[in-house]
Amino acid sequence: KQEVTQIPAALSVPEGENLVLNCSFTDSAIYNLQWFRQDPGKGLTSLLLIQSSQREQTSGRLNASLDKSSGRSTLYIAASQPGDSATYLCAVSETGANSKLTFGKGITLSVRP
Amino acid sequence: DGGITQSPKYLFRKEGQNVTLSCEQNLNHDAMYWYRQDPGQGLRLIYYSQIVNDFQKGDIAEGYSVSREKKESFPLTVTSAQKNPTAFYLCASRTGTRGEQFFGPGTRLTVL
Repeated sequence: KQEVTQIPAALSVPEGENLVLNCSFTDSAIYNLQWFRQDPGKGLTSLLLIQSSQREQTSGRLNASLDKSSGRSTLYIAASQPGDSATYLCAVSETGANSKLTFGKGITLSVRP
Repeated sequence: DGGITQSPKYLFRKEGQNVTLSCEQNLNHDAMYWYRQDPGQGLRLIYYSQIVNDFQKGDIAEGYSVSREKKESFPLTVTSAQKNPTAFYLCASRTGTRGEQFFGPGTRLTVL
């Protein structure tokens, strides 16, 4: 059974710092990996999607990498801002575009002004 | 605007009642999902549907039921058999090509 782990559960950094959020998974036979952001009391917003054949994806100040062989993904946030404060979740998909996802519990990020 | 809508935003249920949470999408996605989110537990899959008139149980289906009569709609019923239904419920749909999942705004259910 696939398991997704995100450590630490919470992180506090000063504004302007570059930071890396980690995600690890136990079964490397994945279809894709997706990073989400969740603000308190809201739904999840998709940030980046990496297909199993890709190594990384970039969107603005965000860069996500994928290493299937080691079962790891990282989300890099450049020049963090207070508006980046939220919970960040990663999820991996079993084979197939319509299959189910397995989620990590998330990392709650606080960026201090 | 394309997206996923969930209603109501807040729902209060008395013990012993069944309640139905609505989820509608206009993204033309085949696959739809229901998750439950509790503090410290992460997202747990309740049911998912890969195509109209078909659905599969997720990890915590007991006490819940779904239907998928239309591509756009995937309602979730929380029955009286669900012993601890107070939670935040999230509906999602997924593209058939890239497999990217999109979420609705959620429904917060509280049992009185």
